[in-house]
Parts: sequence; C-alpha cells; structure tokens
Amino acid sequence: DVKVTQSSRYLVKRTGEKVFLECVQDMDHENMFWYRQDPGLGLRLIYFSYDVKMKEKGDIPEGYSVSREKKERFSLILESASTNQTSMYLCASRRWTGGEEKLFFGSGTQLSVL
Amino acid sequence: EDKVVQSPLSLVVHEGDTVTLNCSYEVTNFRSLLWYKQEKKAPTFLFMLTSSGIEKKSGRLSSILDKKELFSILNITATQTGDSAIYLCAVMKTSYDKVIFGPGTSLSVIP
Repeated sequence: DVKVTQSSRYLVKRTGEKVFLECVQDMDHENMFWYRQDPGLGLRLIYFSYDVKMKEKGDIPEGYSVSREKKERFSLILESASTNQTSMYLCASRRWTGGEEKLFFGSGTQLSVL
Repeated sequence: EDKVVQSPLSLVVHEGDTVTLNCSYEVTNFRSLLWYKQEKKAPTFLFMLTSSGIEKKSGRLSSILDKKELFSILNITATQTGDSAIYLCAVMKTSYDKVIFGPGTSLSVIP
C-alpha cells in the first residue's frame, strides 16, 4: 500500500516563526499536493508539484512556499507564521503515468499558530 | 474559474435511512471525479468515475456520474453510525493540473 507520511500530527507555533511541514511518499509518485482544510471551506489547494523541482501555485499560495528537491519529499514552508494559518494541513500524492489517478493522503498536521 | 459544489453541506439521519449526497462541477478539461470519506484523519478513497451512467458499487455505497449535466451522486443505503464522516468530492483534470475539491458533506448517523 502507498504510504504518505507527514512528519507531525500536531504542531504549535508562535506568530512570526518559520514553520516547515514535511511530507514523504514511498511509491515514486510524480505528483504531490499540499492542501489546507478548514471547517465549511473543504480542502483548498496551496501548492502542487508535478515533478522534482517543479511547483505550481494552487488557489491560496499567499504566505506559503514549497520545496521539492527529491521526488519522495514535498515540503511546505510558512516563512512567517500568522494566526490565520491555523488549520489542518493535508499532503497528498498521485502517480500520473499508468492511469492511476487517485490521491493518497497523509494523516494531516493540525497546526496552531498562537 | 473551476468549481466543485456539494450539497447538502451537512446532514443528520437515523440509522437505517438512505442518503443521497450531491456533487456538481464546472471544470475545464475534466478527466475524472472521485469520492472520498474522511473520518478523523486522512481521507480514504471510495470511488473514481470517468464515464457517464456507469454505477460503481461497494457494499451499501454506490455512485454514478452524469457528464452531460455535470454532476455525481453518492448513495448510502441502510446507514450505520460508522458512516458518520465528511464525504468529499474531487475533480481531476486532464493535464498536469490541480485536483479540485468541493467543501464536503458532513454526515451524522444517529442510532
């Protein structure tokens, strides 16, 4: 089974801190995604990557950046955390070739910014 | 702008009821529609639909896609408390492009 691992289940940070959220997948998937999930708003796409060193902005990239130096790892960076970035962050991956299209999700990181 | 809409946003039913969850979309370069169930953690995959009119079934759950009218439904028969979850609808596009999720339907099944 595909495994998508997010490094932390819960994180508490202070306003202005730099925050790194790490995501690793073990199935050689080309595509990786970062979403945030808020009540009533569903999953909103922050950034996605379709290959190593490739990244594309999603719907709400402001205040975030990403890094994909290796195929298995996709990092989300909050340069200066703010309270409105308190949310559940979900990472997902997908194999593009071969027609297997479903997303596999990590367990999520609940980030609280105080 | 690409959009995925789900209704209702929340629903409370009694065990044994049948529910229908709706998902409509306006997306360019549609490739497939997916349904996920999310309890406390990671969303888990339910169905992927690419062709109109072909029902997918898994136990008490079934789903169908209408590409002409741009919607899908997810049916759950004989609901159980374990069906309580958020049900997410997502649309995948044909290019190297983003996957778009709807807001989700929060289903609560009470004994």
